[in-house]
Amino acid sequence: NAGVMQNPRHLVRRRGQEARLRCSPMKGHSHVYWYRQLPEEGLKFMVYLQKENIIDESGMPKERFSAEFPKEGPSILRIQQVVRGDSAAYFCASSPGLAGLNEQYFGPGTRLTVT
Amino acid sequence: AQSVTQLGSHVSVSEGALVLLRCNYSSSVPPYLFWYVQYPNQGLQLLLKYTSAATLVKGINGFEAEFKKSETSFHLTKPSAHMSDAAEYFCAVSPYTGANSKLTFGKGITLSVRP
Repeated sequence: NAGVMQNPRHLVRRRGQEARLRCSPMKGHSHVYWYRQLPEEGLKFMVYLQKENIIDESGMPKERFSAEFPKEGPSILRIQQVVRGDSAAYFCASSPGLAGLNEQYFGPGTRLTVT
Repeated sequence: AQSVTQLGSHVSVSEGALVLLRCNYSSSVPPYLFWYVQYPNQGLQLLLKYTSAATLVKGINGFEAEFKKSETSFHLTKPSAHMSDAAEYFCAVSPYTGANSKLTFGKGITLSVRP
């Protein structure tokens, strides 16, 4: 029973490039959350998606960041024209989304370094 | 709106000593409360959760936490620290109702265990 999978685990991008982070939820989970962990800080919520729908993107920066969770395939967090301040660990979590059972299971994270 | 306060960023205890990590929360609705542990360069692992059942919650690895509504606290304890407990610990809160159970995290506390 595989857990939440994220790839790549480490990603290095130069300023101005694009970063694509992938998240495959646990089997049977249809809800995905993305969080960002900046150095010396806790995790901050970015976006919550269900299959083919963005439900809550209140934590997403207004520009350059986008997320999707297609009917088939992993969820993607995309960062365009990366800047040094985007360097962080990005975690996704999945849950079954059932009422009262909202425990989230976290992936190992993608550590993005912008040079 | 919800928030979590974890006082102090670092706690150091001797092996075999009591571990006490403090967490206070603010929530406009009855909350779900969680403690997660993060080992270096890894994702978050759920230690325990409060979901309005018993106020004293037992988790993995000998940890437990007590929900005190009057104090808006959910402190994490372990009677006897082990070297393997050295890690970063995050307290988190999410809304009681609704499918969107995005987590609001505290800044985290680093636990060191001295031999």
